[in-house]
Amino acid sequence: EVQLLESGGGLVQPGGSLRLSCAASGFTFTTYAMSWVRQAPGKGLEWVSGITVSGSSTYYADSVKGRFTISRDNSKNTLYLQMNSLRAEDTAVYYCAKDVGGSSLIYFDYWGQGTLVTVSS
Amino acid sequence: QLVLTQSPSASASLGASVKLTCTLSSGHSSYAIAWHQQQPGKGPRYLMKVNSDGYLSKGDGIPDRFSGSNSGAERYLTISSLQSEDEADYYCQTWGTGILFGGGTKLTVL
Repeated sequence: EVQLLESGGGLVQPGGSLRLSCAASGFTFTTYAMSWVRQAPGKGLEWVSGITVSGSSTYYADSVKGRFTISRDNSKNTLYLQMNSLRAEDTAVYYCAKDVGGSSLIYFDYWGQGTLVTVSS
Repeated sequence: QLVLTQSPSASASLGASVKLTCTLSSGHSSYAIAWHQQQPGKGPRYLMKVNSDGYLSKGDGIPDRFSGSNSGAERYLTISSLQSEDEADYYCQTWGTGILFGGGTKLTVL
């Protein structure tokens, strides 16, 4: 059974940093690209960032480029999102998602349950 | 510019059928899309992929009540024999330079 378990969310002040983790199990992590998708309160889904199998290619939404960094540790089956210079508009539930592709981002066939990030003073 | 357009809301009666639409922007009618369901308070769930030739690829455990189709730049999700648990938000998603979601359709089961 595929499982994606996010952690690391919480309350952080504007300008602060947070690191999210996504522990993956139930599939061969080293075969698939992964992404982070967020959902602001009462809003729709917004893709944030994606990473290919080897980690050599990373992609970002314009809204987070230069502030967020995606990475993965294939030895630990874990996906990360380092979030710096956080803003109020980054407040959202952050979901980890497994892609069907490996060397490119295509679409997601499994999702985690999400972790809430609140940016507020 | 690649854009996915969905109606904000839809409603249908218990036991009836409903057809949700996702429209690809001009010049992108050959793109495939994926449908995702998000029940209240839960994470999204992958339903199926719909290609421009109508080919489907369903997610694990998705009931036969859920089907997909297409016509030109439109991609459809049809849910038959509606049940109360089908009341959810439905998002279409595609890919190009990055990943793109439609705005979502909130389905109410009456």
